[in-house]
Amino acid sequence: QKEVEQNSGPLSVPEGAIASLNCTYSDRVSQSFFWYRQYSGKSPELIMSIYSNGDKEDGRFTAQLNKASQYVSLLIRDSQPSDSATYLCAVRNDYKLSFGAGTTVTVRA
Amino acid sequence: DGGITQSPKYLFRKEGQNVTLSCEQNLNHDAMYWYRQDPGQGLRLIYYSQIVNDFQKGDIAEGYSVSREKKESFPLTVTSAQKNPTAFYLCASSIGGVETQYFGPGTRLLVL
Repeated sequence: QKEVEQNSGPLSVPEGAIASLNCTYSDRVSQSFFWYRQYSGKSPELIMSIYSNGDKEDGRFTAQLNKASQYVSLLIRDSQPSDSATYLCAVRNDYKLSFGAGTTVTVRA
Repeated sequence: DGGITQSPKYLFRKEGQNVTLSCEQNLNHDAMYWYRQDPGQGLRLIYYSQIVNDFQKGDIAEGYSVSREKKESFPLTVTSAQKNPTAFYLCASSIGGVETQYFGPGTRLLVL
């Protein structure tokens, strides 16, 4: 079983819609969770971090964490063409981050 | 400007050759990391260093070596023992824990 799994893409959404990205993790003791955005050919950039159960909102992005279900999600509201990228879920395990394979999102104009 | 620089942007390796990827940061970060990214896969940790003159193996250290002689520099050598080196290599740094990692622009390594 992979440490971090993300729903397979690609995910295509119309402009203005909500994009929903899911991530599950295997280590029950993980405490810190992150979403990175990576444009094609570029390096990842951190867009959200979440540490407690519930929702965390930052602009058009909302991260949701459910530790009991070992599940993290990212919602992108009012999706824009500039949101077209690969989104990586990362989970802290002791000294390192474990990354999922990523979900590629395409926003259709 | 503060940040992380990686060079070169593209690197070509011949069979049996060792190559070194450069990573420099002027953020005064203590910790530095090297990741490898293959198409359709997430980032995998090769080596990390939390302090000068100390570094630890990550999940896929075989065929790689590093040094940390200066706080701002963490070069990665891909040795001839690494049989499948073609990948996108990313260097990152953080001021302390892994939570606030900042990534460099990456080096794409190709085999001739």
